[in-house]
Amino acid sequence: GAGVSQSPSNKVTEKGKDVELRCDPISGHTALYWYRQSLGQGLEFLIYFQGNSAPDKSGLPSDRFSAERTGGSVSTLTIQRTQQEDSAVYLCASSLALAGYNEQFFGPGTRLTVL
Amino acid sequence: GENVEQHPSTLSVQEGDSAVIKCTYSDSASNYFPWYKQELGKRPQLIIDIRSNVGEKKDQRIAVTLNKTAKHFSLHITETQPEDSAVYFCAATRSNDYKLSFGAGTTVTVRA
Repeated sequence: GAGVSQSPSNKVTEKGKDVELRCDPISGHTALYWYRQSLGQGLEFLIYFQGNSAPDKSGLPSDRFSAERTGGSVSTLTIQRTQQEDSAVYLCASSLALAGYNEQFFGPGTRLTVL
Repeated sequence: GENVEQHPSTLSVQEGDSAVIKCTYSDSASNYFPWYKQELGKRPQLIIDIRSNVGEKKDQRIAVTLNKTAKHFSLHITETQPEDSAVYFCAATRSNDYKLSFGAGTTVTVRA
């Protein structure tokens, strides 16, 4: 079946502009996660969704970052007034259910470059 | 929160030799430890995982060991092949938690 998909695959934007990143999880997966991967770094957890609810937003780097999920499926990560330090690969993952023993399946990522 | 440290950051091995990557974790309540492999330009994929009720798990050429007392776990790759070249990430979490805490990654290069 289809895996996790993300769009766009690459996004180049100018500093100060807003961007929207999209994630389509695997059908039937209730849990969805966003991570950020800076060059040569590990995966930084940003936010997770259980259904449409995001109980913990503390991983978001600043209030310029927000995310939503609708219909228990597609999620968008929005970055307002982008800064150069926002440049990174943004990865989305989904799992059948929330919590530890459920494998997280990753999407291909969106490479964001802020000029 | 959980803090995972991973060593080494880079590892170069001759084809056919073994590779070992080590991780330590801080939260003694963590009980699930997955390993992800990320090939260049590709998405991370789970290759093996271990739960805290076992000390070792093996799947063909890869194995993971866990020492709960010392709070460290390791990935062992035997008879390395060129297709093993990738970045490997360890992670730790509690089974009732939602958040995987990842190590910084190890770039493994297998020399032909």
